[in-house]
Amino acid sequence: NAGVTQTPKFQVLKTGQSMTLQCAQDMNHEYMSWYRQDPGMGLRLIHYSVGAGITDQGEVPNGYNVSRSTTEDFPLRLLSAAPSQTSVYFCASRTGQGPLLYNSPLHFGNGTRLTVT
Amino acid sequence: AQTVTQSQPEMSVQEAETVTLSCTYDTSENNYYLFWYKQPPSRQMILVIRQEAYKQQNATENRFSVNFQKAAKSFSLKISDSQLGDTAMYFCAFMKQFTQGGSEKLVFGKGTKLTVNP
Repeated sequence: NAGVTQTPKFQVLKTGQSMTLQCAQDMNHEYMSWYRQDPGMGLRLIHYSVGAGITDQGEVPNGYNVSRSTTEDFPLRLLSAAPSQTSVYFCASRTGQGPLLYNSPLHFGNGTRLTVT
Repeated sequence: AQTVTQSQPEMSVQEAETVTLSCTYDTSENNYYLFWYKQPPSRQMILVIRQEAYKQQNATENRFSVNFQKAAKSFSLKISDSQLGDTAMYFCAFMKQFTQGGSEKLVFGKGTKLTVNP
């Protein structure tokens, strides 16, 4: 039972490079999301998805793209990395929609530490 | 927009004692959910406790309990009999009730770093 798996755990990019942070869950969760965590800022929502083929923006979406072609996977793409995107990125998922949603805890991956130089 | 405020950036407590972490939030919603998450040095986010706003009874989970004051928009976390393993960052989070076509997202506070001293 792997839960939410994020790869890679660490990544260093140069300004302007692109990359994709991978997130996969094996719990058949409908809801998946990406957060970034910065010192003194808590966690901020980047993008989220309520099911395959459906994505929406969170609080800080600029500079990031997502897609949800399958229930299991929710990759986060940085098209042109900037130093301001240096952060720890968390993927999270949960089951249920509608009134059942609150009853399901959010499962987090172990995070990806990204440094952009 | 909802906001969550944790006014204590850092706190410390002696092992076996009780500590309370504060959280206030701002919302115009009537139905919503509140959470406390723990992030130990391993970096993983772990759900500690959750509260439904329509419930007057405060949630409890073993040594963890909350003091939910809806009118004051306050949601504090009490940790009893503190243990060394409780050392972590603690995040308070808010989620409004899902409505058809509405968005679903957790809004986090900036966190409180708790250190339990032996």
